[in-house]
Amino acid sequence: SYELTQPLSVSVALGQTATITCGGNNIGIKNVHWYQQKPGQAPVLVIYGGLNRPSGIPERFSGSNSGNTATLTISRAQAGDEADYYCQVWDSSRVVFGGGTKLTVL
Amino acid sequence: QVQLQESGPGLVKPSETLSLTCSVSRGSISGYYWTWIRQPPGKGLEWIGYIYYSGSTNSNPSLKSRVTMSVDTSRNQFSLRLMSVSAADTAVYFCARRAGGSDAFDVWGQGTMVTVSS
Repeated sequence: SYELTQPLSVSVALGQTATITCGGNNIGIKNVHWYQQKPGQAPVLVIYGGLNRPSGIPERFSGSNSGNTATLTISRAQAGDEADYYCQVWDSSRVVFGGGTKLTVL
Repeated sequence: QVQLQESGPGLVKPSETLSLTCSVSRGSISGYYWTWIRQPPGKGLEWIGYIYYSGSTNSNPSLKSRVTMSVDTSRNQFSLRLMSVSAADTAVYFCARRAGGSDAFDVWGQGTMVTVSS
């Protein structure tokens, strides 16, 4: 079965750029989606189709996807960006989530 | 904006059946795929399964034998039944909508905590 690999944790200094990766076999040919989840809340879609932002998501959030790695980039990180982030794809009509990455803003 | 709300018992006994309903408001259930996702305490997201408004379904192979999903378009609701539960099924259960344009989950319910315990 298809697997997605994310780092358990990423730290970023306030105002700097955070990069969260999502590894998967030939993930570059898949539609990758990213979700932000804060404690006690439901996940929120922040990037869909690898690089598109839903309405209401700041431009500071961007995505890319190529080869075996998809990347979520958060520019000018703010304290409010501290959360868990999950990547997700569809594989053979099944939903696959990455294990999640905890982003800490220092 | 479409809203989703999960409902059902917060406590289920081991070996019994977990039953949840997701109510769709401010929008129609028709034309979309509707999904169940769960999250055990302190852990990541796990896909349970999805149901199309017409009734076709697909579920996680690891849960398939225990999962039943249904949809009631007249009530704008869809439901999940998970049989023979154990402590490992203790989790927050979310319902979500698969977006029409992409295949991302663009609308989520707030989630409901279900504890399996005697």
